[in-house]
Amino acid sequence: AQSVTQLGSHVSVSEGALVLLRCNYSSSVPPYLFWYVQYPNQGLQLLLKYTTGATLVKGINGFEAEFKKSETSFHLTKPSAHMSDAAEYFCAVRPWMDSSYKLIFGSGTRLLVRP
Amino acid sequence: NAGVTQTPKFQVLKTGQSMTLQCAQDMNHNSMYWYRQDPGMGLRLIYYSASEGTTDKGEVPNGYNVSRLNKREFSLRLESAAPSQTSVYFCASSPSGGPSDTQYFGPGTRLTVL
Repeated sequence: AQSVTQLGSHVSVSEGALVLLRCNYSSSVPPYLFWYVQYPNQGLQLLLKYTTGATLVKGINGFEAEFKKSETSFHLTKPSAHMSDAAEYFCAVRPWMDSSYKLIFGSGTRLLVRP
Repeated sequence: NAGVTQTPKFQVLKTGQSMTLQCAQDMNHNSMYWYRQDPGMGLRLIYYSASEGTTDKGEVPNGYNVSRLNKREFSLRLESAAPSQTSVYFCASSPSGGPSDTQYFGPGTRLTVL
């Protein structure tokens, strides 16, 4: 079965520092890949997604992620963290041959931004 | 557009009580989903509806039932609530249910079962 691993349940960075949130998936066939963000007491909001084509995907709020097939990874980065980036981030995959339509989520990484 | 709305926002139940969580979307989406979110476990799919008139089980369907009332509305029912169903419940919708679709999430219902 497909699974998603997010390394680090909590990541703490200083304001202005690089943000790197890690996501690895298990699949021999590259799935569709998503990053969602959840601000406190809110629902999930799509940051970016990879379907086909260019492996470097740009999203909202200055985030981007690179799909690396050889490493089965889809890490999320942002060059300079803002206080407003503090939230929980979820990586999700959807197998493209799977007709069940479900998203398989990782366990999430809470990003803390220090002043 | 309100997007995906959910009611209620909070609910406390006693073990054995029943309740229905309501979800509605105004984006004319075909597919709708119910997830539960538990600490350290991400979101897990309970049920989904690929299109009006169809529903299917997800990863954790036991103890739940759903109704796709029409294209806009998708409700989740707990017939006899148990403490293990204490969770945050999210409804989502997507245009067609295709593999590259973006799912749009509601604000969630926080349910506590005593």
